[in-house]
Amino acid sequence: DTEVTQTPKHLVMGMTNKKSLKCEQHMGHRAMYWYKQKAKKPPELMFVYSYEKLSINESVPSRFSPECPNSSLLNLHLHALQPEDSALYLCASSPEGRAKNIQYFGAGTRLSVL
Amino acid sequence: GIQVEQSPPDLILQEGANSTLRCNFSDSVNNLQWFHQNPWGQLINLFYIPSGTKQNGRLSATTVATERYSLLYISSSQTTDSGVYFCAVDPYNTDKLIFGTGTRLQVFP
Repeated sequence: DTEVTQTPKHLVMGMTNKKSLKCEQHMGHRAMYWYKQKAKKPPELMFVYSYEKLSINESVPSRFSPECPNSSLLNLHLHALQPEDSALYLCASSPEGRAKNIQYFGAGTRLSVL
Repeated sequence: GIQVEQSPPDLILQEGANSTLRCNFSDSVNNLQWFHQNPWGQLINLFYIPSGTKQNGRLSATTVATERYSLLYISSSQTTDSGVYFCAVDPYNTDKLIFGTGTRLQVFP
């Protein structure tokens, strides 16, 4: 089983809302990732968690707040987003906290900020 | 930082045709992966191929690490092959996966 599950699939929010994206994997992977993908562009890395600790933050604005409550679960808390934050948000996991491991991706959450 | 360029940017094929997609990278890398992103956004692993050649059904891939490129071959294309193909590399001394610019493939019946 190489499944990474993301919820919700679609999300529409206003600029004053607070919402959360959820990502779950049960493959025993110890590294989890958040990517942002704008239309017709490649995914761009936002955050990396390795063994439940934040190891990489790609200078992401503080209105995005990641959380890793346990080794199977990764959240992305959203607050006071801007319309330009509308994008596909992808979660991935890999066996260990090194990118040389194969990364497996979820289906993504399509976020629209009004 | 490392540059990862893919060609062609767009490709239109009729069902049954063969194609070759190319990924060039500007520096040495630990590994290289090929992904297919379907029209619904799902990124599907095709190959983990830091060097050499691998085959999986109608797809095969070759990476020549010393010359900093990788090729993805699609034979007897089907409409379900449509989508965007990305290569992604892990440069030395980083823990990041850097995606290429992508090739958008459309296969018509």
